[in-house]
Amino acid sequence: GESVGLHLPTLSVQEGDNSIINCAYSNSASDYFIWYKQESGKGPQFIIDIRSNMDKRQGQRVTVLLNKTVKHLSLQIAATQPGDSAVYFCAENIRGYSTLTFGKGTMLLVSP
Amino acid sequence: KAGVTQTPRYLIKTRGQQVTLSCSPISGHRSVSWYQQTPGQGLQFLFEYFSETQRNKGNFPGRFSGRQFSNSRSEMNVSTLELGDSALYLCASRIDSGANVLTFGAGSRLTVL
Repeated sequence: GESVGLHLPTLSVQEGDNSIINCAYSNSASDYFIWYKQESGKGPQFIIDIRSNMDKRQGQRVTVLLNKTVKHLSLQIAATQPGDSAVYFCAENIRGYSTLTFGKGTMLLVSP
Repeated sequence: KAGVTQTPRYLIKTRGQQVTLSCSPISGHRSVSWYQQTPGQGLQFLFEYFSETQRNKGNFPGRFSGRQFSNSRSEMNVSTLELGDSALYLCASRIDSGANVLTFGAGSRLTVL
């Protein structure tokens, strides 16, 4: 079946930089998207979500952008901190189904 | 408010054995989902339970099964363990079955020798 994918497996940034993590999805019936952060030894932690009737949503230091035309999702983290180092997953929900399908993940490494 | 609790956190089994993992969802959450996480495959959906009924099932063999109790607690069982079953098994809960946030537990790390 169709699945969510990520462009970059590893992203290295300096502390204070802005980070952008990208995600491509292929199912035009996907109507809900979530970003999760997973630190070593822990389960995925919710960061931010967005529904397909929106193209941008902001949280604390994070922004999710949704481009339905090209089926692209991105997570922007402002003023990245060492504590942001983790694996980030995007996940999609296909309309009519209740299952979240996860991408492979991107490792974000933040250097002090 | 307590989060999603999974037990045991770590366990080691040998091939051919079976294992049962337990998950207590957040109070008030009626939907429980299970995922298998491996380095090569990422997070793969196993199944979802809602009000004691299996709502969805992923593409896993019949050796993988689960159930949900009336208090929403869930268990999953893997029989005739294989080396490839070594993984982190994650449980997640949400209020109901639908397009909304899953809250994950810390997982149960299974090693099959």
